[in-house]
Amino acid sequence: EAGVVQSPRYKIIEKKQPVAFWCNPISGHNTLYWYLQNLGQGPELLIRYENEEAVDDSQLPKDRFSAERLKGVDSTLKIQPAELGDSAVYLCASSFGGTPSTEAFFGQGTRLTVV
Amino acid sequence: QKEVEQNSGPLSVPEGAIASLNCTYSDRGSQSFFWYRQYSGKSPELIMFIYSNGDKEDGRFTAQLNKASQYVSLLIRDSQPSDSATYLCAVPSGTYKYIFGTGTRLKVLA
Repeated sequence: EAGVVQSPRYKIIEKKQPVAFWCNPISGHNTLYWYLQNLGQGPELLIRYENEEAVDDSQLPKDRFSAERLKGVDSTLKIQPAELGDSAVYLCASSFGGTPSTEAFFGQGTRLTVV
Repeated sequence: QKEVEQNSGPLSVPEGAIASLNCTYSDRGSQSFFWYRQYSGKSPELIMFIYSNGDKEDGRFTAQLNKASQYVSLLIRDSQPSDSATYLCAVPSGTYKYIFGTGTRLKVLA
């Protein structure tokens, strides 16, 4: 079974440019998360989807970040315009919701560098 | 106070020793606790989770919960150089929102 797939793995852009990340969760997983991880820090939740509904986006900087999950499967996270401080690893994770013990599986992440 | 706290380390232990990693949490109502391992440049992978009703052992790994003091520990017996990584503690807030600690970097010295 394929794991969580993210693309691209690496992205270098100039500040003020737009960028988009894509995530394909594990088949059947209804819950999808986007996390941001800075160097030396733990992942921080940006947004969580239950199927196609964003149920927790309180940490998403909505002035420049947007996300969507069409048909409750794949998801994209967009930044427009990017700032230098957005340089980080963006992790997508998925889980099959049901109990508080649900394990989240992570993709390999997209390392974004804004120059 | 942060919801989930870990000592960032590095924690250095000799090969074959027991590595002890701790994680404190603020939500007294937390019912489950996760330990993820993250190698440098890689994504986190789950190595163990426990419920609030007891400790758990899996091979060389043991997770222990101290509810009164609100911390959870991960013990790694017979530490190997391949165990060198960052260990992240995660505690669900609400039903499915995981709050991660900053992680503890473990170095096992050959």
